[in-house]
Amino acid sequence: AQSVTQPDIHITVSEGASLELRCNYSYGATPYLFWYVQSPGQGLQLLLKYFSGDTLVQGIKGFEAEFKRSQSSFNLRKPSVHWSDAAEYFCAVGGAGGFKTIFGAGTRLFVKA
Amino acid sequence: DAGVIQSPRHEVTEMGQEVTLRCKPISGHDYLFWYRQTMMRGLELLIYFNNNVPIDDSGMPEDRFSAKMPNASFSTLKIQPSEPRDSAVYFCASSLDRGGNEKLFFGSGTQLSVL
Repeated sequence: AQSVTQPDIHITVSEGASLELRCNYSYGATPYLFWYVQSPGQGLQLLLKYFSGDTLVQGIKGFEAEFKRSQSSFNLRKPSVHWSDAAEYFCAVGGAGGFKTIFGAGTRLFVKA
Repeated sequence: DAGVIQSPRHEVTEMGQEVTLRCKPISGHDYLFWYRQTMMRGLELLIYFNNNVPIDDSGMPEDRFSAKMPNASFSTLKIQPSEPRDSAVYFCASSLDRGGNEKLFFGSGTQLSVL
């Protein structure tokens, strides 16, 4: 069965520092992978997605993610965090043929001045 | 486009009462999803529709929950009778007809509190 694991419940990063949020997935076929961000009181917004091709995917707001099949990972990165990046981040996996995107438990990002 | 529209934004009700949550998907999107978000269980898929037809309702917690999509521009999620453990944020999302590889567009959610 497909699943998504985000090992870190919360992470605190200083403004201007780099960020990496971890995501591991389990899926029996070629996965479709997503990162969403949720600001307080808001719905989820897509940051980026990976289907195929280049394993390094660029998204909005300066985020990128790298797909590593051998590690079943899809980690999200940003070289320099801004205070406005404080939010909850969700990794998700879906697949063709059936439509049931599964979300990880989320990682809450705190940004300190 | 105004995006996915949910109403109400907040709902406070007493145990045993009927609750109806509403959703208007983005025009042209063939898939509609209802999710529930809680601290304990995270984001759970309750049910999804394709072209107004329920495809998978295996995530609906029990018979007290029901969802309908009478037309392409409107869906409801009903809880009858409501219980305190139903308190959560309920999200509606929609997507184009591309299967699991298309991104989801989420509404702002309905914060439900059952007292």
